[in-house]
Order: sequence, then structure tokens, then C-alpha cells
Amino acid sequence: EDQVTQSPEALRLQEGESSSLNCSYTVSGLRGLFWYRQDPGKGPEFLFTLYSAGEEKEKERLKATLTKKESFLHITAPKPEDSATYLCAVQGSGSARQLTFGSGTQLTVLP
Amino acid sequence: GAGVSQTPSNKVTEKGKYVELRCDPISGHTALYWYRQSLGQGPEFLIYFQGTGAADDSGLPNDRFFAVRPEGSVSTLKIQRTERGDSAVYLCASSLLAGDNSPLHFGNGTRLTVT
Repeated sequence: EDQVTQSPEALRLQEGESSSLNCSYTVSGLRGLFWYRQDPGKGPEFLFTLYSAGEEKEKERLKATLTKKESFLHITAPKPEDSATYLCAVQGSGSARQLTFGSGTQLTVLP
Repeated sequence: GAGVSQTPSNKVTEKGKYVELRCDPISGHTALYWYRQSLGQGPEFLIYFQGTGAADDSGLPNDRFFAVRPEGSVSTLKIQRTERGDSAVYLCASSLLAGDNSPLHFGNGTRLTVT
């Protein structure tokens, strides 16, 4: 059974204070690891897909990295508009098109 | 362009009633998914359609839940004899291709409250 654990559950940063969110996973044959952003009352918004260990993807102030056991979402010099819940999900080879999500990290960036 | 559209955005129903939740996927997306999200949790998989057929319904919690996609576009999630434990946000997503790992694009969900 695929499992995803995200930490911390909540994170408060001052504007400009860089940090990282963690996503630890166990999966049978990783087909993809996905990061999503979710704002209150909205559906998850796709950010990145990572396919293999060592891969990195960047978008504005966000950079996602992947190892064989975990992924990190690095946030550089965050702004208040980066405040959201960040969700990590995995797709394993044995689960067809199912994504298994973690519970998310709720990020608050204070001005 | 238009994203995934879900209606209604909110639904309040009494225990034991029947409800239908509708999803309009992104035009041209062949794969459609239903997920359920409880407060403070990540989305949980319910069912996945490839075209008109349910390719994987292993996430449906019991036989009170059923979903259809008769013409390969719009889908309806149907819940019979609703229970208070069914209260959650029901999310629909679509993707361009089935059978690969292209990203899912989610709608804003239907918040179902069973009283």
C-alpha cells in the first residue's frame, strides 16, 4: 500500500524567510510524485511532477527535489501570497491512475 | 481556458436522502476522477473513468456510492441513503490522457453536508 507523510503539519514564516517542506513516501514502483497547492475553498492546483531520484523542478520561488524516499519543496524568500496548503501525492506502478495524497503542510507567510 | 466545473458548490441534505453531484471536465480530457477530501486531510481516491467506463472503482466506500459518465464527458456521482459520515468535499479532476502520469486538474469541489 502506497503511503505519504508530510511534515510539518503547519509552518509559519516571515516574509523572505526561506524554508523547506518534507514529503516522505513508500510506494511500489514510483511512476510519479506530484506537488499541488490548495487555497481555502478551492481544489488542488498542480505545481510539479517528479519522476526519478535526483530530479529537480523550479517555478518562481518554489523548487521541488526528489530522492528515493522523500521529496522536498523549497520555498525561497516567500511572500504572503505563497500562503496555502501544499499537498504531495504519489502514483505507484501497482495503483493504475490512483494518486495517494499526504495530509498537506499548511504554510502561512506573515508580512 | 475553462477548467473543471463542479455543481453544486454546496449541498446540504438530510440523512437518508439521495444526492447527485455533477462534474464537467476540461474539454478534450479523456480521463476523469472523483476524490473525497475530509477536513485537514488530503484527497482520497474514489473512482476513475477512462472514456465512458469506470476503469477503477476500488475507492468507492460501499454500494451506496455510484458514478456514471454516459457520453465520456460529464460525470455524475450518486450517493444513496446518505449518512453523516459522507459529509466531505467531493473533488472531480480530469487529465488529458489515461494510462500515463499526466497531471490531474481539479475542480473546486462540492461541499456535501449531511445533517
